[in-house]
Amino acid sequence: DTGVSQDPRHKITKRGQNVTFRCDPISEHNRLYWYRQTLGQGPEFLTYFQNEAQLEKSRLLSDRFSAERPKGSFSTLEIQRTEQGDSAMYLCASSAPRTTSTDTQYFGPGTRLTVL
Amino acid sequence: AQKVTQAQTEISVVEKEDVTLDCVYETRDTTYYLFWYKQPPSGELVFLIRRNSFDEQNEISGRYSWNFQKSTSSFNFTITASQVVDSAVYFCALSAGGSQGNLIFGKGTKLSVKP
Repeated sequence: DTGVSQDPRHKITKRGQNVTFRCDPISEHNRLYWYRQTLGQGPEFLTYFQNEAQLEKSRLLSDRFSAERPKGSFSTLEIQRTEQGDSAMYLCASSAPRTTSTDTQYFGPGTRLTVL
Repeated sequence: AQKVTQAQTEISVVEKEDVTLDCVYETRDTTYYLFWYKQPPSGELVFLIRRNSFDEQNEISGRYSWNFQKSTSSFNFTITASQVVDSAVYFCALSAGGSQGNLIFGKGTKLSVKP
């Protein structure tokens, strides 16, 4: 296992369509994070899981967005009724905290979404 | 509120020059973590360093060094003898107590190293 993987790498969709992205974390990592990055900006936190539990959600995560991690391994991020403002790079990261303190997050290559 | 400011939007240097990327952070928490990540043109964020708020020792790793100063809330990153492969966007990030680890990123500094 060489790192976090994301699929697809690129997605072009029409406004109003639903899209789903997948993230496979580093195998021994129990924390998984989703971020969104728009052009010229730093990544912005969306949500995070510890095992299968979704523990925190950003206000950026509107009700059109839903994330799951059903078995505590891979995660999916779904966007319903996409809007042009959803065009961004969606990044996934994972970490394996040794205690309750912050550990290092390792990022995947991202999924670039373009909404036409 | 927690915030990270990277005032330098873009820096251009010639190969072998030294360059320092600035990072200023804001948090009221006494326990926090600071990070630097590199994002090359391929897009994947690469972890460079993590520093906790109780460890103010500077760190050196090859051509990279980091200067953490709590008195000025800064965590600056210096590349010595820059190389073309150092060209990338560099992000400073903060994770503060109670946030469960989600990172707050600055807007990044785009470094261009010309041969």
